[in-house]
Amino acid sequence: LAKTTQPISMDSYEGQEVNITCSHNNIATNDYITWYQQFPSQGPRFIIQGYKTKVTNEVASLFIPADRKSSTLSLPRVSLSDTAVYYCLVGDGPYNQGGKLIFGQGTELSVKP
Amino acid sequence: DTEVTQTPKHLVMGMTNKKSLKCEQHMGHRAMYWYKQKAKKPPELMFVYSYEKLSINESVPSRFSPECPNSSLLNLHLHALQPEDSALYLCASSQLDSPLHFGNGTRLTVT
Repeated sequence: LAKTTQPISMDSYEGQEVNITCSHNNIATNDYITWYQQFPSQGPRFIIQGYKTKVTNEVASLFIPADRKSSTLSLPRVSLSDTAVYYCLVGDGPYNQGGKLIFGQGTELSVKP
Repeated sequence: DTEVTQTPKHLVMGMTNKKSLKCEQHMGHRAMYWYKQKAKKPPELMFVYSYEKLSINESVPSRFSPECPNSSLLNLHLHALQPEDSALYLCASSQLDSPLHFGNGTRLTVT
């Protein structure tokens, strides 16, 4: 399984765009990149998944360069409620197909007023 | 609100007790998972059930015993736990081609 590396923590201010980069140098051909968000005392929540190039949904964008050795989660115009831990995961196949899904160390994002 | 329901929310048990954690989902998901999460750490995978059969056991000690009675329910039976087993236990479910949906966990304290 590809290991992921992310910054331990990041600070931002309300209204700013936040970019969190994840390194996954040993990503395999079949691996997809998935991001989850976790608030204190809650389970993680799926944000976005991608394989290559760019994926966008209503809450975030995911940028994946051609070599796929890293990925960047982009959160537009963050608010205080975006303060959470963000996990980057790499797994075999889309949504890991019921197999192993291993969480990295996560990035603790703190949004200030 | 979460579509994966875990009970109880909090549990305190002694090292000689036997207790069970319960997880229920009604989304028709055929894969179910147990994760353990210590404070300030990422969730660690414990078990995966696929179509009600245990498909992955991440070398979890036998004092943790999972059970999947049907496609909607997942239990984790606990016996002779140690204080270091105190953690947040998270259940999740998914279709094989969809993201994981997590419950909000059971906060377990072993005294």
